[in-house]
Amino acid sequence: KNQVEQSPQSLIILEGKNCTLQCNYTVSPFSNLRWYKQDTGRGPVSLTIMTFSENTKSNGRYTATLDADTKQSSLHITASQLSDSASYICVVSPNFGNEKLTFGTGTRLTIIP
Amino acid sequence: NAGVTQTPKFQVLKTGQSMTLQCAQDMNHNSMYWYRQDPGMGLRLIYYSASEGTTDKGEVPNGYNVSRLNKREFSLRLESAAPSQTSVYFCASSETPTGWAEAFFGQGTRLTVV
Repeated sequence: KNQVEQSPQSLIILEGKNCTLQCNYTVSPFSNLRWYKQDTGRGPVSLTIMTFSENTKSNGRYTATLDADTKQSSLHITASQLSDSASYICVVSPNFGNEKLTFGTGTRLTIIP
Repeated sequence: NAGVTQTPKFQVLKTGQSMTLQCAQDMNHNSMYWYRQDPGMGLRLIYYSASEGTTDKGEVPNGYNVSRLNKREFSLRLESAAPSQTSVYFCASSETPTGWAEAFFGQGTRLTVV
């Protein structure tokens, strides 16, 4: 069964600090991996998309890495801001053209001043 | 740009009542989707429409029906609501099937069935 597991479930850090969120997946065959940010009461918004051939992708202070051999991804947030408080969801697409994305349950990140 | 717009934002239903969740996108996307999000679980696909005129079941279709009214609009209907359908529902759209293209989500509909 295709699965996406994220850790930690929740994380609290001080404003200005860095943090790293983890994603492990068992989806195969694998097409691409996405990271979404979901603010409370809002829909998910895309941060990055990486294909199986990409190792890293950045979007401002967000940097995602991918190791397709070990089926692991991480999302690193640099110099956190209060607005980074949200849930971060890892999503894996099993193959091109397949509508059935597999979603992780997310990591709830709280930034405190 | 409005993107993906869902109505209503909140709804309370009694068991057995019916309702339709509306979704419209203004990005000229071909594919549209309905997901539900429950505590402790990832988003799960209910139904999708890869293109105008087609609809297909997703992971959890039981108790739901959909209509792709035109290229812009994709509605989700609960014929006889049950407490197990209490959830947050998200509509999404993408230019092509989501294996390739970015998916854009609406703001969600929080549904409570009592």
